[in-house]
Amino acid sequence: GAGVSQSPRYKVTKRGQDVALRCDPISGHVSLYWYRQALGQGPEFLTYFNYEAQQDKSGLPNDRFSAERPEGSISTLTIQRTEQRDSAMYRCASSLGVGGSMPYEQYFGPGTRLTVT
Amino acid sequence: GENVEQHPSTLSVQEGDSAVIKCTYSDSASNYFPWYKQELGKRPQLIIDIRSNVGEKKDQRIAVTLNKTAKHFSLHITETQPEDSAVYFCAASRGSQGNLIFGKGTKLSVKP
Repeated sequence: GAGVSQSPRYKVTKRGQDVALRCDPISGHVSLYWYRQALGQGPEFLTYFNYEAQQDKSGLPNDRFSAERPEGSISTLTIQRTEQRDSAMYRCASSLGVGGSMPYEQYFGPGTRLTVT
Repeated sequence: GENVEQHPSTLSVQEGDSAVIKCTYSDSASNYFPWYKQELGKRPQLIIDIRSNVGEKKDQRIAVTLNKTAKHFSLHITETQPEDSAVYFCAASRGSQGNLIFGKGTKLSVKP
């Protein structure tokens, strides 16, 4: 079946502009995660949702970053007033379920490469 | 919070040799430990995972071991092939939270 998809794949924006990054999880996956990955580093957690509820946003760097998943499927990560330090690969992942004592496997999307000039 | 340390940062082996990558974690409540392989320009791909109720798991040439007492887990790749060349990331997670905390990665090079 179709994997996690993200759009746009590449985004170049000027400093001070707002950007919206979209994630479309695997169909039927309840949990959706946002990570940021710097070049040569492992993904860094930003926030995650179970259905439409944002469960943890402790990884968001500051209040310019926000995310939503209004219908429990597609999610949008928004960065307001972008700065050059926001340049990175933003990755989305989804997993099948929630509940129980063990997490489910997470599958990653191709990412959005954001460049702030 | 959880902290995951990964070693070595680079590893070079001859084709056919074994490769071992080690990770330690700090949060004793972590109970899920996946390994991801990331080729250049590609997304991280889940290759194997282990949950805290088992000590070892194997899938063909890949195996993972977990020592809960020492809080470390390792990835073992046998009979390495050039296509195993990639960056490998370990991660840890708690069941109640689900977000993954990643190590810094190991760049594996398999020389033919």
